[in-house]
Amino acid sequence: KAGVTQTPRYLIKTRGQQVTLSCSPISGHRSVSWYQQTPGQGLQFLFEYFSETQRNKGNFPGRFSGRQFSNSRSEMNVSTLELGDSALYLCASSPGHGMNTEAFFGQGTRLTVV
Amino acid sequence: DAKTTQPNSMESNEEEPVHLPCNHSTISGTDYIHWYRQLPSQGPEYVIHGLTSNVNNRMASLAIAEDRKSSTLILHRATLRDAAVYYCIRSNTGNQFYFGTGTSLTVIP
Repeated sequence: KAGVTQTPRYLIKTRGQQVTLSCSPISGHRSVSWYQQTPGQGLQFLFEYFSETQRNKGNFPGRFSGRQFSNSRSEMNVSTLELGDSALYLCASSPGHGMNTEAFFGQGTRLTVV
Repeated sequence: DAKTTQPNSMESNEEEPVHLPCNHSTISGTDYIHWYRQLPSQGPEYVIHGLTSNVNNRMASLAIAEDRKSSTLILHRATLRDAAVYYCIRSNTGNQFYFGTGTSLTVIP
């Protein structure tokens, strides 16, 4: 059974640009959550998508957005990139919403903003 | 999550038990406690989770205080492969994790 796949693994972008990251969950999983990991702030929740609907949102500005497709794949978008957006972005796949079961994380996308 | 605190680092000798503490004094009655660990250049990996009762699985045990304001992850026999950063997590909806600061565990051969 394939794990959670995040693409690309590494990205370098310039301030002011926008970026789109992709996450393919484990087959059959319908919930995808996104997290930002930085040395200073640690792991912080961005948002969760289930059945193509955003169910929860963390405390991030509107420049951070996401969506989920009918096959449960999810994308997150960051517009008008800032240097502080440099981070490891992780997605986690779960069977459903609100189930408190094991979540499976991808290896992440390392975004560097220069 | 400022409400979930863990020691920055701990050391253990190989093949000895390890007790990793976590304080979550403002936990609500419906929050689950999860533990995940992360190796360098990897995403977090599930270890164990529970609500009120102590839990055991093949990897570890989770001891939850009666008032639920703290918990302890117990690795029964530390191996070199257990060296990682261990995160204590509160979860209210099941898919929205509030991560603690993490404890970096060093296992000494």
